[in-house]
Amino acid sequence: DTGVSQDPRHKITKRGQNVTFRCDPISEHNRLYWYRQTLGQGPEFLTYFQNEAQLEKSRLLSDRFSAERPKGSFSTLEIQRTEQGDSAMYLCASSFMMNTEAFFGQGTRLTVV
Amino acid sequence: AQSVTQLGSHVSVSEGALVLLRCNYSSSVPPYLFWYVQYPNQGLQLLLKYTSAATLVKGINGFEAEFKKSETSFHLTKPSAHMSDAAEYFCAVSENTGNQFYFGTGTSLTVIP
Repeated sequence: DTGVSQDPRHKITKRGQNVTFRCDPISEHNRLYWYRQTLGQGPEFLTYFQNEAQLEKSRLLSDRFSAERPKGSFSTLEIQRTEQGDSAMYLCASSFMMNTEAFFGQGTRLTVV
Repeated sequence: AQSVTQLGSHVSVSEGALVLLRCNYSSSVPPYLFWYVQYPNQGLQLLLKYTSAATLVKGINGFEAEFKKSETSFHLTKPSAHMSDAAEYFCAVSENTGNQFYFGTGTSLTVIP
């Protein structure tokens, strides 16, 4: 297993378009997290899954954002009607159990033009 | 509620000098604490973690951190800086009843030759 994988690494989209990102966690990890990171800031929590269940979403998360983890393995994060403020690095992480360390992917950098 | 404060958004040290990056946390219950490093356009890599065992934690690349409950601190140190240590460093906290990690705003470390 080579770690957490994210695809694509970079995405440039026009404002108003929908985008979808994919995350493949470490195979035995049951917890999967999505974070957003803007320039000069630390990662900001978006949502988290335990197996296929989405157990928590940030109150900051717009209704335009949706995440799924249909079979408890890979996850997708979709942003509808993108806005320039959505430009950021989107990080996925996975962990085996609660409060064990999270392993991060290399992120997807989204630029909305 | 948990939070993390990293004092000093930018730290510069000479090669071979001591590295000290500060982290203070706020948590209503005993926390789990982590230090991550991030290189440009990369995800986060775990340096070390504190999970209520030994208060002095040793990590990768010669880094270590000491948990001080009385000071609510978890400062990161390295005796001798290398050029390759130049990166962004993030402190994170997770409560033993929590489901997510809270990150500080990061400290950018510059190593001067």
